[in-house]
Amino acid sequence: SQQGEEDPQALSIQEGENATMNCSYKTSINNLQWYRQNSGRGLVHLILIRSNEREKHSGRLRVTLDTSKKSSSLLITASRAADTASYFCATGEAGTASKLTFGTGTRLQVTL
Amino acid sequence: NAGVMQNPRHLVRRRGQEARLRCSPMKGHSHVYWYRQLPEEGLKFMVYLQKENIIDESGMPKERFSAEFPKEGPSILRIQQVVRGDSAAYFCASSPRQATRGQETQYFGPGTRLLVL
Repeated sequence: SQQGEEDPQALSIQEGENATMNCSYKTSINNLQWYRQNSGRGLVHLILIRSNEREKHSGRLRVTLDTSKKSSSLLITASRAADTASYFCATGEAGTASKLTFGTGTRLQVTL
Repeated sequence: NAGVMQNPRHLVRRRGQEARLRCSPMKGHSHVYWYRQLPEEGLKFMVYLQKENIIDESGMPKERFSAEFPKEGPSILRIQQVVRGDSAAYFCASSPRQATRGQETQYFGPGTRLLVL
């Protein structure tokens, strides 16, 4: 799999349900970030979790990081129609200057 | 505090023409990153610049592509003799300090969508 590969590729849920997206990566990282992209728009930074952290919360978002499994999950609780977007994980790899490596994204559709 | 600005938002070029994409980082940010996104794909890193310096261009194609971030003015991504395969969304991001090992959040602009006919 590619660095920063999300699973599932697409997810459709109803408003009020929880949405869980997973991200796997290959190399050693210093941190992992999640971004949201609405169709045809730019990226919005959601949350950054450092390699020495296991869980982080921000509002309705909960991110976990398991460095032993090289994986992360993003949980959106009580989803809303406005959460409809593509979600990308991006890793800051250990030993590299500053570039982020993005996954292919999970397309989330929240219906009323 | 304005965010990262990119212009134009949409750019149409014919094969063989030049494309110039501009990026103004957030106020107080001196580090700029360019990424390319092909349809239905994630972003791919192209280049990282500081004022008047290219720090990492490992993602830049060897030919036709160049980037600069002058002392004054926006960062410019320049594509010479564009081909249809250059059609993509090009995003710029900025950070206040060097995003060493990815510790610093990068803030993204709205992107420039380049279409090569």
